[in-house]
Amino acid sequence: GAGVSQSPSNKVTEKGKDVELRCDPISGHTALYWYRQSLGQGLEFLIYFQGNSAPDKSGLPSDRFSAERTGGSVSTLTIQRTQQEDSAVYLCASSLASPETQYFGPGTRLLVL
Amino acid sequence: AQSVTQLGSHVSVSEGALVLLRCNYSSSVPPYLFWYVQYPNQGLQLLLKYTSAATLVKGINGFEAEFKKSETSFHLTKPSAHMSDAAEYFCAVTKTGGGNKLTFGTGTQLKVEL
Repeated sequence: GAGVSQSPSNKVTEKGKDVELRCDPISGHTALYWYRQSLGQGLEFLIYFQGNSAPDKSGLPSDRFSAERTGGSVSTLTIQRTQQEDSAVYLCASSLASPETQYFGPGTRLLVL
Repeated sequence: AQSVTQLGSHVSVSEGALVLLRCNYSSSVPPYLFWYVQYPNQGLQLLLKYTSAATLVKGINGFEAEFKKSETSFHLTKPSAHMSDAAEYFCAVTKTGGGNKLTFGTGTQLKVEL
């Protein structure tokens, strides 16, 4: 079956612009996660959605970052007024429920010039 | 709070030799522990996980790991390395009892030489 997909695979933007990153989880998975992978910080948790519960936003690094999950499926991570330090690979994962295995997408590589 | 420490950011082994990648964890509650592998320009793939069942966990591609509570360790091993094992390996922890966000170690880059 189809795995987690993310788009775009690569994104180059200018400092100060807004970007949207998309994640399509595995069908039927109720939990969805966003992580960021960067050279300086390694792999960091950003935000977690579980069903209809309020998301766990404890990993978002600033209020420029936000995410939503529509209809319990597709998720969009939005970064407003991008900064160079936002350059990283943004990984999305989904799972059936806690503590099931998280399946990761290929990531979106973001470069902020 | 949970955390994991991976000793050795780079490990080099000869093809056919034992692979040992170290992971120590810190957790205030019984943890769930995972090993993921990442090939270049790809996402993370689960190798194996420990969720409080058997302490010796077998995973894909011949890898296994043993949960040792007394040593707070979850080291990853493979008896005989193959060239295709060259990749970056991440140990991760999450807590039992709800919430499933993973806390990752800093990763170990495995190099396999002829």
